[in-house]
Amino acid sequence: DGGITQSPKYLFRKEGQNVTLSCEQNLNHDAMYWYRQDPGQGLRLIYYSQIVNDFQKGDIAEGYSVSREKKESFPLTVTSAQKNPTAFYLCASRPGQEYNEQFFGPGTRLTVL
Amino acid sequence: AQSVSQHNHHVILSEAASLELGCNYSYGGTVNLFWYVQYPGQHLQLLLKYFSGDPLVKGIKGFEAEFIKSKFSFNLRKPSVQWSDTAEYFCAVNAHTGGFKTIFGAGTRLFVKA
Repeated sequence: DGGITQSPKYLFRKEGQNVTLSCEQNLNHDAMYWYRQDPGQGLRLIYYSQIVNDFQKGDIAEGYSVSREKKESFPLTVTSAQKNPTAFYLCASRPGQEYNEQFFGPGTRLTVL
Repeated sequence: AQSVSQHNHHVILSEAASLELGCNYSYGGTVNLFWYVQYPGQHLQLLLKYFSGDPLVKGIKGFEAEFIKSKFSFNLRKPSVQWSDTAEYFCAVNAHTGGFKTIFGAGTRLFVKA
């Protein structure tokens, strides 16, 4: 069954701790994305990657880091430098080279206590 | 900078009412346009998309959207909504010079009363 998986579904962390959100896809898509969804603000792009070992900052990259060592995996680390990390995080992927639609994972809700 | 504007943040309709959700974007070149929907507790999924050709695009579940290039608009419509259309709707734009980057609107929450 092809798709995008994100884990965990809910995540709690204490202030000052880094946390890594997982995103895996078996769609053989080249491009992968991380978005943050906050009420009334839509989806804001954190980072994206067009190919393995390459990624670019999105509109709100400060306080976040990513890696793309494998085509199917694009983990996002929320660092202690992110001032307001409590949010819903969505991972997406898209086939390369075409301006196609994105496919989304189920999301991870991160709460900082 | 490119942006996408959705005019209505919250819409409440009764079943069988007609729906139109506005979407405007700011980019003068070639674009691909999308509407995504997020049903309660479900993944964000594609509703419909426009790449080229006929500016009136039909999507799933009876939705359609019209691309009006002169107005930079891509409004979503449905003649008769159902309770099951209750969801959040997002307009999104891919500018061809933007590569793989897609800009999303703030979303419109639709609630349909049974």
